[in-house]
Amino acid sequence: DTAVSQTPKYLVTQMGNDKSIKCEQNLGHDTMYWYKQDSKKFLKIMFSYNNKELIINETVPNRFSPKSPDKAHLNLHINSLELGDSAVYFCASSLQRKGGTTGEQYFGPGTRLTVT
Amino acid sequence: KNEVEQSPQNLTAQEGEFITINCSYSVGISALHWLQQHPGGGIVSLFMLSSGKKKHGRLIATINIQEKHSSLHITASHPRDSAVYICAAYDPYTDKLIFGTGTRLQVFP
Repeated sequence: DTAVSQTPKYLVTQMGNDKSIKCEQNLGHDTMYWYKQDSKKFLKIMFSYNNKELIINETVPNRFSPKSPDKAHLNLHINSLELGDSAVYFCASSLQRKGGTTGEQYFGPGTRLTVT
Repeated sequence: KNEVEQSPQNLTAQEGEFITINCSYSVGISALHWLQQHPGGGIVSLFMLSSGKKKHGRLIATINIQEKHSSLHITASHPRDSAVYICAAYDPYTDKLIFGTGTRLQVFP
């Protein structure tokens, strides 16, 4: 009964390839996020979706394209992978509260992407 | 300068010691989150608070909205508390969590 799951956990690929990371949550949350954690362990928001609608789209290259087929899923597709894309990518979910504040965020286990 | 600053960056302690990690933020926020990242990489939400104080077991989080400051305390620390602790401020104007750089805690037996 995993709350937020991501696949794959590890991804090693060559420059120029296209890859996808999948995320699913079974918490009934309406908001999902993608975060990138760099080598210095700093977390930064990439995207967020609320009820399948894109809410936050940070200044990430357009090689990164999120897709939310339903409230429980948020996938991340990356085209033409570059060395600098190597990082750990975390998916998270939460329930939006009244007044627009986010509730507690639940994180997936992370996907360690290594681009060679 | 990051909008959310944590101190110290690294902290070592002996088992049983009382630990304090500090977080200061410069943005207007509606909530402050404390997260724990284990050595294996997983991230767990410890607290979300917008005022006062919360307690879970040996962990206590406090926030002072006027001073834009939050603290995470660990009483009777244990080696299993060794992890990176991250504070994150929720900015309702941008609808984003802004993360601190984390505090790496090591507790030795």
